[in-house]
Amino acid sequence: KNEVEQSPQNLTAQEGEFITINCSYSVGISALHWLQQHPGGGIVSLFMLSSGKKKHGRLIATINIQEKHSSLHITASHPRDSAVYICAPVQGAQKLVFGQGTRLTINP
Amino acid sequence: ETGVTQSPTHLIKTRGQQVTLRCSSQSGHNTVSWYQQALGQGPQFIFQYYREEENGRGNFPPRFSGLQFPNYSSELNVNALELDDSALYLCASSFDRVYEQYFGPGTRLTVT
Repeated sequence: KNEVEQSPQNLTAQEGEFITINCSYSVGISALHWLQQHPGGGIVSLFMLSSGKKKHGRLIATINIQEKHSSLHITASHPRDSAVYICAPVQGAQKLVFGQGTRLTINP
Repeated sequence: ETGVTQSPTHLIKTRGQQVTLRCSSQSGHNTVSWYQQALGQGPQFIFQYYREEENGRGNFPPRFSGLQFPNYSSELNVNALELDDSALYLCASSFDRVYEQYFGPGTRLTVT
């Protein structure tokens, strides 16, 4: 069993839809990153959170440390949101453990 | 403030050769982490350097080694390249070990 499980693995939606990507992990963590990776490889850190909720524009990330679960939400989705979204818990002081990613495609 | 940069962008090597990849940290960051991302997979942690010392290592053999310099830039060295080393190599810098990591664009290594 992977230490980090994301669902769904692939998601296709229409522009404007509300998107939820889920992440469950089995390791003890100090924080969790949500990352965005576009074709070509570049990774952008969207959030790092250790409790509660964070919001940035149309993106919202939540985490429940006790349940070992985090979610990333996108409101009013847009085709430019199409990317791979990766959940990466921080194990110990330094090690990011990456999920396999969720490939999101938003159609106009 | 400049972001994290990596060089080269792409690299082709043959099996058995050695390779050095470079990473320049974001200004003010003293911690660099290296990751390997095979095609279709999530990144895997290779190691982290904090103030010029290795500060944690993933499940990679000793032929993967690194350095961090006084200006906090970093190198990843891979000896005796194998076909399975073909991947995207990402570095990420952070202000300190537990702070948010900022990723570079990656170096795509192909081993033939």
